[in-house]
Amino acid sequence: NFMLTQPHSVSESPGKTVTISCTRSSGSIASNYVQWFQQRPGSSPIIVIYEDNQRPSGVPDRLSGSIDRSANSASLTISGLKTEDEADYYCQSYDSSNHNWVFGGGTKLTVL
Amino acid sequence: QVHLVQSGAEVKKPGASVKVSCKVSGYTLFELSMHWVRQAPGKGLEWMGNFDPQDGGTIYAQRFTGRVTMTEDPSTNTAYMELSSLVSADTAVYYCTTAVMIPALDYWGQGTLVTVSS
Repeated sequence: NFMLTQPHSVSESPGKTVTISCTRSSGSIASNYVQWFQQRPGSSPIIVIYEDNQRPSGVPDRLSGSIDRSANSASLTISGLKTEDEADYYCQSYDSSNHNWVFGGGTKLTVL
Repeated sequence: QVHLVQSGAEVKKPGASVKVSCKVSGYTLFELSMHWVRQAPGKGLEWMGNFDPQDGGTIYAQRFTGRVTMTEDPSTNTAYMELSSLVSADTAVYYCTTAVMIPALDYWGQGTLVTVSS
């Protein structure tokens, strides 16, 4: 079993770039794909990145995903920040050992 | 267009059970693996388990094993999640979610608030 650890919160100014990390506690980050979800207050989550770095249709290319094997972590990068990007972001992966899906604790992004 | 429409909010007493429904339109439920995710007030997302109709199998997160049952009714294209022996810590919004267009959870229900209170 592993956990995914995210920073509790990040903040940045409009127009800037922010990166949210997601660190896997055990096993390789590359073993299973990482997904990223955006959740605005009062709304259901929306997927913004799947399979580490793929963008679903309709997601702007300002959002990108990557993994860093040396740091055993995944990252979501949002460039050209807009106030509409202000939301909670969750990473998610799959635990092959017990067939469970795992979510990170979530990161609150503030654009100020 | 695919839609997942969940049942309405519930208020339950400790020790009771709750059954949340998720009606799928625009797709055949048999072709989908339905997951359930919950979110306690002010907290993060927590995966509870999933039902795979193709083999009738269910995988539950360990912390819910013995208390949760996920089923489906093909005749109404509806998925169900029943949670028993409720405690106040089960107060949360419960979501059904599935992968349709991409190999990831791209469709979500609107959520069902379950409040456990004496």
